[in-house]
Amino acid sequence: SQQGEEDPQALSIQEGENATMNCSYKTSINNLQWYRQNSGRGLVHLILIRSNEREKHSGRLRVTLDTSKKSSSLLITASRAADTASYFCATDSPYPPGGKLIFGQGTELSVKP
Amino acid sequence: DTEVTQTPKHLVMGMTNKKSLKCEQHMGHRAMYWYKQKAKKPPELMFVYSYEKLSINESVPSRFSPECPNSSLLNLHLHALQPEDSALYLCASSRLGVRDTIYFGEGSWLTVV
Repeated sequence: SQQGEEDPQALSIQEGENATMNCSYKTSINNLQWYRQNSGRGLVHLILIRSNEREKHSGRLRVTLDTSKKSSSLLITASRAADTASYFCATDSPYPPGGKLIFGQGTELSVKP
Repeated sequence: DTEVTQTPKHLVMGMTNKKSLKCEQHMGHRAMYWYKQKAKKPPELMFVYSYEKLSINESVPSRFSPECPNSSLLNLHLHALQPEDSALYLCASSRLGVRDTIYFGEGSWLTVV
């Protein structure tokens, strides 16, 4: 079963605009990871945020985590056409050993030039 | 170097064939994963290896047989597959488990005819 739900399912914006994607999850987590996937390709790791962190930045990316609401958001600022991809959040489940990384349904982002 | 290498990139096989997917990483990671991804869906966990031992099998049919010959290699042996097994198969690795960043390969596109 999938742990995360993402919102919106699809997002279309113009180049230069900001894009915000949201992720909600159900159980307690140790960390949450965001990935990008270009069509037909593998997943590229963007950011890992731990449960004791509230915000992380990486270049044009900003991730927030609210453990009380069991939600996270990914903000891409000044978007580019090359940001067009699917974005997934993934959470670890409290399942030893090794553990599971469970993905949300993903958001399809389209950035129009 | 954060590279997970998967071969082959594309594979077409008949339902009576035996084939293998291969995955390699040289990051010293001790956890390795196989995921299956259908079009427009999130990746779904199949197997987890921790310190070269199978730690999680997500009730995957026996026509999929994983193998971890050493700490750098992960194979997925395929036999008597069905057309519905056609998908993108993703290999991933992490330092110790899901509390660390998980790195994915580009995937192997499998078509079963």
